[in-house]
Amino acid sequence: GAVVSQHPSRVICKSGTSVKIECRSLDFQATTMFWYRQFPKQSLMLMATSNEGSKATYEQGVEKDKFLINHASLTLSTLTVTSAHPEDSSFYICSAPGEGSHYGYTFGSGTRLTVV
Amino acid sequence: GDSVTQMEGPVTLSEEAFLTINCTYTATGYPSLFWYVQYPGEGLQLLLKATKADDKGSNKGFEATYRKETTSFHLEKGSVQVSDSAVYFCALSPGGGSNYKLTFGKGTLLTVNP
Repeated sequence: GAVVSQHPSRVICKSGTSVKIECRSLDFQATTMFWYRQFPKQSLMLMATSNEGSKATYEQGVEKDKFLINHASLTLSTLTVTSAHPEDSSFYICSAPGEGSHYGYTFGSGTRLTVV
Repeated sequence: GDSVTQMEGPVTLSEEAFLTINCTYTATGYPSLFWYVQYPGEGLQLLLKATKADDKGSNKGFEATYRKETTSFHLEKGSVQVSDSAVYFCALSPGGGSNYKLTFGKGTLLTVNP
């Protein structure tokens, strides 16, 4: 079945540095990738939707300049957290839709970001 | 807009107990409905889905039936195991295929004790 490979699984970075998270679709072409942030007590927040070859669509309240999303090819989408701060520490998950909205979505395994 | 409401939990059960996690939704048209499971430290995995009214999704002993009259998609399992301990998310996708954005419930943490 469809697989989305997400890396890294864990990253610790210093305040003020940038971190890049990659999501690759391994056996299918993902023209769309959703990026989520998961808060304590498991709530998922959709941050943005990336589309191959065009600008990402950000949800209200998400800083575009802080969370840079690039979808350069049909198999790769990246999220870069710029000038990270401790409050950006969280679990980030990507997801790509399957074939048609009825077929579910494939999720990456998530990235635990800790900013110290 | 679309919304999903599910039992917030946490839910704690003994092994072999019966499980129900309630989920109701609000949506226009004919959405597809999903249950996802998240094990500790991992991403989400599709557990089961239903794409039209009265469909029953099933997988690994879990079942859920798409009830349009009650706008519900409750998750059930007859006998839970310790390995079922996880967070369960109910979700919907709008019908028609033109918008793939998933709407999630807040998740229900299930802990199964031996």
